[in-house]
Amino acid sequence: EPEVTQTPSHQVTQMGQEVILRCVPISNHLYFYWYRQILGQKVEFLVSFYNNEISEKSEIFDDQFSVERPDGSNFTLKIRSTKLEDSAMYFCASIGQGLTGYTFGSGTRLTVV
Amino acid sequence: AQSVSQHNHHVILSEAASLELGCNYSYGGTVNLFWYVQYPGQHLQLLLKYFSGDPLVKGIKGFEAEFIKSKFSFNLRKPSVQWSDTAEYFCAVNINRGNQFYFGTGTSLTVIP
Repeated sequence: EPEVTQTPSHQVTQMGQEVILRCVPISNHLYFYWYRQILGQKVEFLVSFYNNEISEKSEIFDDQFSVERPDGSNFTLKIRSTKLEDSAMYFCASIGQGLTGYTFGSGTRLTVV
Repeated sequence: AQSVSQHNHHVILSEAASLELGCNYSYGGTVNLFWYVQYPGQHLQLLLKYFSGDPLVKGIKGFEAEFIKSKFSFNLRKPSVQWSDTAEYFCAVNINRGNQFYFGTGTSLTVIP
């Protein structure tokens, strides 16, 4: 069964540093998403990406965040200057034209110290 | 703003007990409904989904859910739980195809052998 792949599985970074979280969506999917889940809280939408541009973003997705699909296969989330409150599990998801349900990656646990 | 409510935050059951987890949403239009499961240390996995048609949908691992439009509900059920069902369960609603999902806060299920 096709999978959404995320790397790394766990990243520890110092406050103020830039991090890039990587995702490889399912190859024929068209819509790409980032969600995050702070420990003990609900899964929160960050951003959706379609046709090489952001289609929707939440209030969480401020100027510190950016997304990119640099090479047609990877889908990255960059946090320019990490804060302690950015510590969370970040999930990438993709979905095909038929909207059969998101396929989520296994997540990247980001710890900002 | 759209919202998804899961009223049971933590449920503890003995094996073979029946399970029902509540999910209510606030949007009055056409919705697509999903239940996801997150086993400890793992990523979100799709349990089942409803788009249209028969309001009683069956998913993997013996789970089912019933869409009751008049009650804005999509409750998850399983007749007999197993220890391996211990996980976090998330209800999610999608309003427009390709756009974001709104997740509930999750219900933690603990099944005691």
